[in-house]
Formats: sequence, C-alpha cells, structure tokens
Amino acid sequence: AQKVTQAQTEISVVEKEDVTLDCVYETRDTTYYLFWYKQPPSGELVFLIRRNSFDEQNEISGRYSWNFQKSTSSFNFTITASQVVDSAVYFCALSLSGGSYIPTFGRGTSLIVHP
Amino acid sequence: NAGVMQNPRHLVRRRGQEARLRCSPMKGHSHVYWYRQLPEEGLKFMVYLQKENIIDESGMPKERFSAEFPKEGPSILRIQQVVRGDSAAYFCASSQQQGPGENTIYFGEGSWLTVV
Repeated sequence: AQKVTQAQTEISVVEKEDVTLDCVYETRDTTYYLFWYKQPPSGELVFLIRRNSFDEQNEISGRYSWNFQKSTSSFNFTITASQVVDSAVYFCALSLSGGSYIPTFGRGTSLIVHP
Repeated sequence: NAGVMQNPRHLVRRRGQEARLRCSPMKGHSHVYWYRQLPEEGLKFMVYLQKENIIDESGMPKERFSAEFPKEGPSILRIQQVVRGDSAAYFCASSQQQGPGENTIYFGEGSWLTVV
C-alpha cells in the first residue's frame, strides 16, 4: 500500500517570505514517481513536477524548488520569495511503477500568502 | 484548448436525480481517471478507464456510481439517485500511456456537483 502525508494543513506567510511545504511518502516499491500539483482558488489542478525514484537530484524552476530525499522518504517543495499568486492548495502525490500507476494524493496544504 | 475538458463546471441536482459528468481527455491520451474531492479533504481516486474498458474501479462506491469511456465520445461519470453526500468536486484526468516516465496525469478544471 502507498501513502502520502502532508502534515501541514495550512500555512500563512507574508509576501516575499520563503516557505517549504512538506511531503512524506510510504511505499515498499523501489520504483515510483512523485508529483506536486497546485490548486489555485479557481479550482483547477495544475501539474508542477514529476520526479522518479531513481533521480534524487534537486530541481529548481524559477522560484520553485524541490528537495527529494529517499533516506527520509520526503519530497519537499520550497517557494522562494512567495507572492500572493502563490496562494493555493498544493498536493503531493505518489504513483508506483507497477500495476496501474494510479497516483495517491496527500490531503493537501493550503498556502496563504498575505500582501 | 488541448487540455482535459470537463463539463459541466457546475451542476445542481435535487436529491434523487441523476448527475452525468463528462470528460474529454487531452489529445492523444487514451487513459482516463476520475477523482473526487470532498470539502476539506484531498483527492480520492474513484476509477481508471481506457477506451471501452474499466481497468480499476476500486475507489468507486458500490452503488449508484458508474463510469464509462466509450470508443467514441467522452468519458462519463454517472451518479444515480444523488444524495447530499455526493456534493463534491469531481476531477477527471488523463494520461498518454502507462509506463515508466509516461504516467503523468493532467487534470481538467473539475465539475462541482451540488445536491440540494
């Protein structure tokens, strides 16, 4: 069985602060994929990143960066210099390489960025 | 718009009526997933389909819910005799194919069902 835990239900920051969203996963498989999605107030789900279990290199995309650590089963997401437009619910997800690849989602972290 | 298309965006039904939610996958995608998002909860998997086949329906309630993905046309999630507890956002997603590195699923904008 696979599980994704996003322990932070809600985070509130002031614009320009850095913020890290935590994601801890559980799986017995050695090959798997991790994802982050963003759900802004308008409701749609936007794909942000996919990482496979064999690639532990951290990734940076503009103000976004992801820290994948297999040793702690974590795939954390950091937003640098947050902006009001970053306010959204962020979901972490895990899918396994075998079977039907169906992603399992965490409960999401609501990020509120105040001006 | 080449993304996953869902309609309607918003649907209001009275208790006991039927709700039909439609999903057209991204161009070139043949795998469709349905998820449900209840208020204050995360996304729960419901069903995974390929054309004319239900591959995994382990997340579907046993009664009143059904899904199809016909050879032609959109995927349909059907909820019969809706109850207030069915009020939720229903998201459809699609992917190109199954396999290592190919399983990113892209979501539609969701269909918000309200049962009154």
